[in-house]
Amino acid sequence: DSGVTQTPKHLITATGQRVTLRCSPRSGDLSVYWYQQSLDQGLQFLIQYYNGEERAKGNILERFSAQQFPDLHSELNLSSLELGDSALYFCASSVAPSGRGETQYFGPGTRLLVL
Amino acid sequence: QKEVEQDPGPLSVPEGAIVSLNCTYSNSAFQYFMWYRQYSRKGPELLMYTYSSGNKEDGRFTAQVDKSSKYISLFIRDSQPSDSATYLCAMSVRHASGGSYIPTFGRGTSLIVHP
Repeated sequence: DSGVTQTPKHLITATGQRVTLRCSPRSGDLSVYWYQQSLDQGLQFLIQYYNGEERAKGNILERFSAQQFPDLHSELNLSSLELGDSALYFCASSVAPSGRGETQYFGPGTRLLVL
Repeated sequence: QKEVEQDPGPLSVPEGAIVSLNCTYSNSAFQYFMWYRQYSRKGPELLMYTYSSGNKEDGRFTAQVDKSSKYISLFIRDSQPSDSATYLCAMSVRHASGGSYIPTFGRGTSLIVHP
């Protein structure tokens, strides 16, 4: 158990809908990362927050948004869902913001299926 | 051409074998090199990370980086059935949007160690 929690574990929804994925980092970790893992693209970085502020942005679609709250939990919002958004979504956390080879602890993921 | 190339396998070996997993990369700016292990339906967990060229050993695992050839390897000695998982290489460089080092992942190699 990495100490990172993600809810829900599974999500089934329809095209055009909006969902919110939630992540609680390990105790003491200030940095949160979101990743998308699909069979054709592999594990792709979406966005990073550090202590409530956006720190780095990757291949995140405009339909997706995220935020980190004062209690350090983070939410990833996915809207106008398309079939191609079906994937595993991982949250990871680390102590520091730099990511310079330091350990990122991954949660168990949320499996999203868009029908 | 993807920045990080990794053979998806599967790689099937008998228990006790020495396993060699490899990745090549194209971005010479990558500075940190990591190996993650991902069990089925779980999040990735960091196995090893290195900064410089050369070898780094941790128990049965040895990570090797050759920056001149843009090639990294993970060796597993005395492989066990419990090593059966997907192994993802990752490498990072300072992200364009800020000070963070964000990993770029390979697609992962599926390893099966049979008794």
